[in-house]
Amino acid sequence: QVHLVQSGAEVKKPGASVRVSCTASGYTFTSNYIHWVRQAPGQGLEWMGIINPSGGKTTYAQKWQGRVTLTSDTPTSTVYMELSSLTSDDTAVFFCARVGSDSLAIDYWGQGTLVTVSS
Amino acid sequence: DIQMTQSPSSVSADVGDRITITCRASQGISNYLAWFQQKPGRAPKSLIYAASSLQSGVPSRFSGSGLGTEFTLTINNLQPEDFATYYCQQYNSNPPTFGQGTKVEIK
Repeated sequence: QVHLVQSGAEVKKPGASVRVSCTASGYTFTSNYIHWVRQAPGQGLEWMGIINPSGGKTTYAQKWQGRVTLTSDTPTSTVYMELSSLTSDDTAVFFCARVGSDSLAIDYWGQGTLVTVSS
Repeated sequence: DIQMTQSPSSVSADVGDRITITCRASQGISNYLAWFQQKPGRAPKSLIYAASSLQSGVPSRFSGSGLGTEFTLTINNLQPEDFATYYCQQYNSNPPTFGQGTKVEIK
């Protein structure tokens, strides 16, 4: 059974950085890419970037270039999303999501992590 | 970036109804189209990939069709647990982009 378990909610001050983790289980960690998707309060889904846990290659949405960093740690089957220079506009729920082995589409999602930015 | 436009933005329906949601891409995406269901406060759930293939465990009352720029998600015999927001997403080219969502509400 595939599971993606994310770290808990965070409260950060403006200007700070946040790191959210996504720990995978139930499959071979290095076999599937992981997306990160953002959802602002009451809004839709927005793609941030993707990482290949086998080798760590990343692709980011242009909007997030320079502020988001995706990394992976194979021994712990964990992918990390770090977002820097936080503002109140960054308050959102962040999801990790796995790319299916054959489909190229997202098949499993993490439960989401709420990041609140407030002074 | 490829723009994805869903219609309608919301739909009211009764249990047992059939509903159809449309998703249009600003350029051709072959069949690289996925559908997701999201309930309030929950993570999205993957329903369909490759425009018409059901993810494992998804009930057969859900179906998808389309190719190129126009796609549909149909839910037959709407059940109480189907009231949610539905998103399409293209994954033909980077960046992957989502539609704005369609909220399915109880009439």
